[in-house]
Amino acid sequence: DQQVKQNSPSLSVQEGRISILNCDYTNSMFDYFLWYKKYPAEGPTFLISISSIKDKNEDGRFTVFLNKSAKHLSLHIVPSQPGDSAVYFCAATGGFQKLVFGTGTRLLVSP
Amino acid sequence: NAGVTQTPKFRVLKTGQSMTLLCAQDMNHEYMYWYRQDPGMGLRLIHYSVGEGTTAKGEVPDGYNVSRLKKQNFLLGLESAAPSQTSVYFCASSSPDRLMVGETQYFGPGTRLLVL
Repeated sequence: DQQVKQNSPSLSVQEGRISILNCDYTNSMFDYFLWYKKYPAEGPTFLISISSIKDKNEDGRFTVFLNKSAKHLSLHIVPSQPGDSAVYFCAATGGFQKLVFGTGTRLLVSP
Repeated sequence: NAGVTQTPKFRVLKTGQSMTLLCAQDMNHEYMYWYRQDPGMGLRLIHYSVGEGTTAKGEVPDGYNVSRLKKQNFLLGLESAAPSQTSVYFCASSSPDRLMVGETQYFGPGTRLLVL
């Protein structure tokens, strides 16, 4: 039972354009959502988060949108840069900070 | 600060062998976690600990044991390794109050384990 789903395994974008990564969840008890970025041979690193009581959170080039009625969140990266090329994981939590991860989306930003 | 460190970085085991993966953190975090990452599966929680001397099962605990004898260390043990345990293992730590202000788990660099 996949509670957090990332249906796009990969995404290719040109430098300077917008990258939109999507995530769906099924558990309405999740109260916090996070995006992690992972480079090869490294551990995931925190990117941005959003509380379930908000619908948008922005940090520089990164914005996360939450649509609770649709159980959907998205990460927007504007403008995309080649250094953004990585695997992006969506995660959700509902207690003890136990994270439930999606399967990841590999983003490739080409010059 | 080294953050979260994991030992070893890579290991090859034969079926039936045992080993212990060590995780250490220097951030004085209360919570520690072990995850495994498999292709197409994302990261899945194996075990976690909310404080020294306490452990609890996560999503995929079978075949693993853990111990948290010291606050800064979290050990993951495989008593009898199986090929299905071939994976990349990540340790993480966090502070109970930090999530409320947007902070979250800090991950180690991972241990790649191959069971033949």
